[in-house]
Amino acid sequence: DAGVIQSPRHEVTEMGQEVTLRCKPISGHDYLFWYRQTMMRGLELLIYFNNNVPIDDSGMPEDRFSAKMPNASFSTLKIQPSEPRDSAVYFCASSPAVGIQETQYFGPGTRLLVL
Amino acid sequence: AQKVTQAQTEISVVEKEDVTLDCVYETRDTTYYLFWYKQPPSGELVFLIRRNSFDEQNEISGRYSWNFQKSTSSFNFTITASQVVDSAVYFCALRGQGGSEKLVFGKGTKLTVNP
Repeated sequence: DAGVIQSPRHEVTEMGQEVTLRCKPISGHDYLFWYRQTMMRGLELLIYFNNNVPIDDSGMPEDRFSAKMPNASFSTLKIQPSEPRDSAVYFCASSPAVGIQETQYFGPGTRLLVL
Repeated sequence: AQKVTQAQTEISVVEKEDVTLDCVYETRDTTYYLFWYKQPPSGELVFLIRRNSFDEQNEISGRYSWNFQKSTSSFNFTITASQVVDSAVYFCALRGQGGSEKLVFGKGTKLTVNP
């Protein structure tokens, strides 16, 4: 069975440009999570969805960041306009159902560099 | 508040040595789960193990073993007879009832196994 799929794997863009990161969760998983990883702050949860509905976006840094999940098999994280401090690895993860016992399975990440 | 501390930032060993990665956690929840993830140089996050707060039995999987001690709030990870392929950053994480679906990560320990 395919794992979490993310695209692109690498993205280099210039400050001010719009960036869209994409994620396809594992089929049948009801929860989808977006994380950001930086050297300074480690792994941070940005937002998560349950059955395509955003549940907690308190980790989203600012209004330049937005996330959507139009259906059960696709989510996007958009940064507009991008800034150099947004450079990081962005991970998408999914888990089967509700409950603290559920394991989150991570995608390979998107390495974003904003020049 | 929930917190995970991995005091060892970097560890370097020679192949075939045993190595223990420390993880100390803080939570007020009585029910919680602990996780370990591996992040090899390729960058993806790989799930290794999940342990619930009511199960203090140690677990062994091949060369990997985990020691969970509630009395010291620790969930340490030991690699026996380390190999070069074990070189990675290892993350300990916590998820408790009070934190809803959020997975709280430690800062990670970078393990380098030299030939």
